[in-house]
This record gives sequence, C-alpha cells and structure tokens, in this order.
Amino acid sequence: GENVEQHPSTLSVQEGDSAVIKCTYSDSASNYFPWYKQELGKGPQLIIDIRSNVGEKKDQRIAVTLNKTAKHFSLHITETQPEDSAVYFCAAGANTGGFKTIFGAGTRLFVKA
Amino acid sequence: DTGVSQDPRHKITKRGQNVTFRCDPISEHNRLYWYRQTLGQGPEFLTYFQNEAQLEKSRLLSDRFSAERPKGSFSTLEIQRTEQGDSAMYLCASSPGQANTGELFFGEGSRLTVL
Repeated sequence: GENVEQHPSTLSVQEGDSAVIKCTYSDSASNYFPWYKQELGKGPQLIIDIRSNVGEKKDQRIAVTLNKTAKHFSLHITETQPEDSAVYFCAAGANTGGFKTIFGAGTRLFVKA
Repeated sequence: DTGVSQDPRHKITKRGQNVTFRCDPISEHNRLYWYRQTLGQGPEFLTYFQNEAQLEKSRLLSDRFSAERPKGSFSTLEIQRTEQGDSAMYLCASSPGQANTGELFFGEGSRLTVL
C-alpha cells in the first residue's frame, strides 16, 4: 500500500541555521506533496505544497524540492527562528477522486535561540 | 470562527463504552476526512466523505468504527466497545472539493483516552 517515510524524526538546529527534512514515497500515482506544521495542541496546518509537474517551489524562508524519478521530496527551512519549532509532516496524495493524503511519521524540529 | 470545529476536545472513557465525536467542517467544503493520530506518529487516514457519500474507508477502520455525514454538513465518528488501543487523537479535516487543491483544513482534534 501507500507509504511515506520521513527522516529525521528529531532535528535540533541553532537559530539562524538551515533545517532539511527528507521524505520518500512509494505510490507512483502520487502527484501532490504537501508539508504540514503541527504545534502543540493544534491540528496540522499546511505550510507549502508542490505538485508533480514542478521540481522546486519557494515561499520566503521555506522551499520544497521534488525528484519524481527517485520518489524523494524535501523541505528546506532557512534562517530558522524559535517559532519554527514544531512537528513537521510530509505527505503524498493522488488526485484519484478524493485526494487521499498519506502522512509521514513527522519530524520534531527544535530551534535553539 | 470559520474553521473546522470538533467536539468534544477530550474524552475519557472506560473500556467497553461507546463514544461519539462530532466534526463541523468549513461551511463551503464538501469533502470531509477523518484521521487518527497516535503519539509520535503522523495522521493515519480513516475515511472520507464527498458530501453525504462515504467514498473510502481504511482497513484501519474496524467494524467497531462507524462514520456518518447525513446531510453533507457535519459528521460523526462513533467507536463502539472501545479498547485501550483506540486511545488517540481523532482529527477531522475538510477541503473544498470543487477546487480540488488537495489542501486539508484540520480541526484541533478530539483526544480519546480509554482506561
């Protein structure tokens, strides 16, 4: 079945440094790759997404890359700030009616001031 | 507040009891999803609705679980004869189906503890 692997499970960086989270997916039909941020006691919130016809997308300090051949995609956060500390989930979805989205296990990011 | 709302936010129950969770999606969204999240894991897909039709159910959804969306608006998720393994956060999400953007708008979840 569909599977999304995410690494690392925990990431600690110094404020101002960059953070990179990597994911792989198994379903070749996947064509939508969102990233969600979850803060304590809240539901996940979309921060950026990329579709299979695009290799890279950037939004201010956040960028995502996608390698469809290798089934890899990554999240890059530059100039990290303490408020970036949260759990980040990658996910993969296919536009097969309902956009069922399969999530990775999450990366807990700590940004030390 | 026009976000996804879930009720109750917390539920503690004894093993064997039935529990029901309610989700009110964003009003113009016709797709509604239920996910389950356990500690340290990502959300696991349970089921989704397009309007009132339940279009897909995960194998994770045993016979003790049932979800409804009778009028295509709010949804309920019922767990019968709860087990300790049912303890988790149950997340509801909605999306604007026609726009088909794929983005899920999550509620803050209903945390279930089965003693």
